[in-house]
Amino acid sequence: DAEITQSPRHKITETGRQVTLACHQTWNHNNMFWYRQDLGHGLRLIHYSYGVQDTNKGEVSDGYSVSRSNTEDLPLTLESAASSQTSVYFCASSPTGLVDEQYFGPGTRLTVT
Amino acid sequence: QKEVEQNSGPLSVPEGAIASLNCTYSDRGSQSFFWYRQYSGKSPELIMFIYSNGDKEDGRFTAQLNKASQYVSLLIRDSQPSDSATYLCAASGGSYIPTFGRGTSLIVHP
Repeated sequence: DAEITQSPRHKITETGRQVTLACHQTWNHNNMFWYRQDLGHGLRLIHYSYGVQDTNKGEVSDGYSVSRSNTEDLPLTLESAASSQTSVYFCASSPTGLVDEQYFGPGTRLTVT
Repeated sequence: QKEVEQNSGPLSVPEGAIASLNCTYSDRGSQSFFWYRQYSGKSPELIMFIYSNGDKEDGRFTAQLNKASQYVSLLIRDSQPSDSATYLCAASGGSYIPTFGRGTSLIVHP
C-alpha cells in the first residue's frame, strides 16, 4: 500500500545545530508539503513543492529550507535550530487533479533546547 | 487573505446522537473541500472530500456543501466515543495549497 513516512519520529537538538527531517512518499504524488502545528496556531505551511527541482516558500519559511531531487522525498532542513522551532512537523503529499486531497505522514516531534 | 473558520468547541454530544460540525470559507474561488480527523498526538486523517453543492454520504459521515453561502458541514450519525477527536476543515482553490481551519474538538460521551 502507498504511504508517507517521516523520520525521525522524535528529535531533541540544541540551539544552533542544523537538523534535517526526512519525508518519503510512495503515492507517486507530484505535490509535497511541510507544515508545523502548534497549539493556538493550527497547521502552518512551511514549504511546498509541485515537482522535482521545484520548491516554494509558505507562510512560515524563515529558518527552514527544502530540496526536491526526486518525486518521493522532500527533506526539511532547519539551518540553525531555535527554541521557537520546537513543534510537531507534518509532511503531506497530494495528487495533481480535480481533487487535491492531502495525505499526511505520522509527524516528527522536534524539541530544541 | 483566504480563511477557513471553525468553532473551536468543544462540541459535546451523547453516544448515538448526530454530531454536526460546521465551517465557513472566505475564498469564493475554492473548488474542493475536505474534512480531516485528528486524534490527540496523531496526524490528520482524511475522512471525506466534496466539490459539488449538496450532500455526499459515506457510511456514518455526510458532508454538505453550499457554495452560495460558502458553508461546509460534516454530520456524524450514531456518534461513538471513538469519534472523539479534532476535526479540521480545509478548502482548496486549484493551487493545490489548501487553507485549513483550526479545527473543532468533538467529545462523544457514553
